[in-house]
Amino acid sequence: GDSVTQMEGPVTLSEEAFLTINCTYTATGYPSLFWYVQYPGEGLQLLLKATKADDKGSNKGFEATYRKETTSFHLEKGSVQVSDSAVYFCALSDQGAQKLVFGQGTRLTINP
Amino acid sequence: GAGVSQSPSNKVTEKGKDVELRCDPISGHTALYWYRQSLGQGLEFLIYFQGNSAPDKSGLPSDRFSAERTGGSVSTLTIQRTQQEDSAVYLCASSLVLGRGDEQFFGPGTRLTVL
Repeated sequence: GDSVTQMEGPVTLSEEAFLTINCTYTATGYPSLFWYVQYPGEGLQLLLKATKADDKGSNKGFEATYRKETTSFHLEKGSVQVSDSAVYFCALSDQGAQKLVFGQGTRLTINP
Repeated sequence: GAGVSQSPSNKVTEKGKDVELRCDPISGHTALYWYRQSLGQGLEFLIYFQGNSAPDKSGLPSDRFSAERTGGSVSTLTIQRTQQEDSAVYLCASSLVLGRGDEQFFGPGTRLTVL
């Protein structure tokens, strides 16, 4: 079945550091890929998405590129802020299916 | 406009009791989803509704779990004879179904604790 594997956490960085959270997937079809974020005390919200190979999703300084050849969708940000501290989930929805399949989540803490 | 709302926000129950969790999706969203977030299992899909029908129930963990949706809007997830392993945060989400990559909007969740 479909699955998503994320970089193990927790991840702790200093403010202005470069961030990468790795995400790889297994899917039978051609999935859409997502990063969702859960800030402390808040609900899950969409951060960015890509629906086909080579698409780049971006939002709030975060980027991720859909790489079909490596089945990856790594999340990157050039300079993180304390306000980026949250749990990040990589997810996919497979062609023809509406449900989201999530990775295990990566807790990110940014220290000032 | 209003987001997805869920009630109750917290529910503590005794093992063996039945519980009902409610979800009010965003008005006009035809698709509704239930997920479960627990420490051991992460975020798991439970069931998907399109209108009032449930074309995908594949994530329901046992026949103690059921869900319905009425009027294409409110949904209720029912857990019968609760067990301690049912303790988790139950999340509801809704979306328009327009094509690939539809964004799902999540509610704040119901934290269920089974003693």
